[in-house]
Amino acid sequence: DTAVSQTPKYLVTQMGNDKSIKCEQNLGHDTMYWYKQDSKKFLKIMFSYNNKELIINETVPNRFSPKSPDKAHLNLHINSLELGDSAVYFCASSQDFGRARIDTQYFGPGTRLTVL
Amino acid sequence: KNQVEQSPQSLIILEGKNCTLQCNYTVSPFSNLRWYKQDTGRGPVSLTIMTFSENTKSNGRYTATLDADTKQSSLHITASQLSDSASYICVVSAYSSASKIIFGSGTRLSIRP
Repeated sequence: DTAVSQTPKYLVTQMGNDKSIKCEQNLGHDTMYWYKQDSKKFLKIMFSYNNKELIINETVPNRFSPKSPDKAHLNLHINSLELGDSAVYFCASSQDFGRARIDTQYFGPGTRLTVL
Repeated sequence: KNQVEQSPQSLIILEGKNCTLQCNYTVSPFSNLRWYKQDTGRGPVSLTIMTFSENTKSNGRYTATLDADTKQSSLHITASQLSDSASYICVVSAYSSASKIIFGSGTRLSIRP
């Protein structure tokens, strides 16, 4: 009963390619997120979606585009991959982002992206 | 500038001992502070969440404290077990902007038998 799942777990690709990472949550949560964890282990939020609306968009390159076909899915598409995109990408979800702000975020297992 | 700083960066203790991890933040206006545990190769898992009015919150052998005046938090682990070996991440959220969720860099805790 995986709460937040991501595919693939590992992704190795060449510079310049386009790739997607998929995320699904079966918790019935309203909000989903994408985070990037760099080599120094800092987690930085990239995007979040609430009711299919983008509510956070940190200063990430426009090569990154989140796509949410429904409330349970938030996929991350990356165009023209660069070496600096190599990192672990985590998907997360939470029940109620914005009002009480005491929502717990549940994280997926991560996708390790390596750009050669 | 909104920042979350954790100390120490890494810590090694013997199984059965207690330890305390520190988190200092400058995020404003403060909404809540969370501690996460991240095992190697896995996503973070929430341990505690505290709002402005909460000073202490426990989750089993984990006890988090919050001093909103000094903007400091600590995570105390009692009677450590080998399974406690992980990174512990402090996360602070600001109230006014959806984009202000600041993660600390974590403390890497290793428990030795």
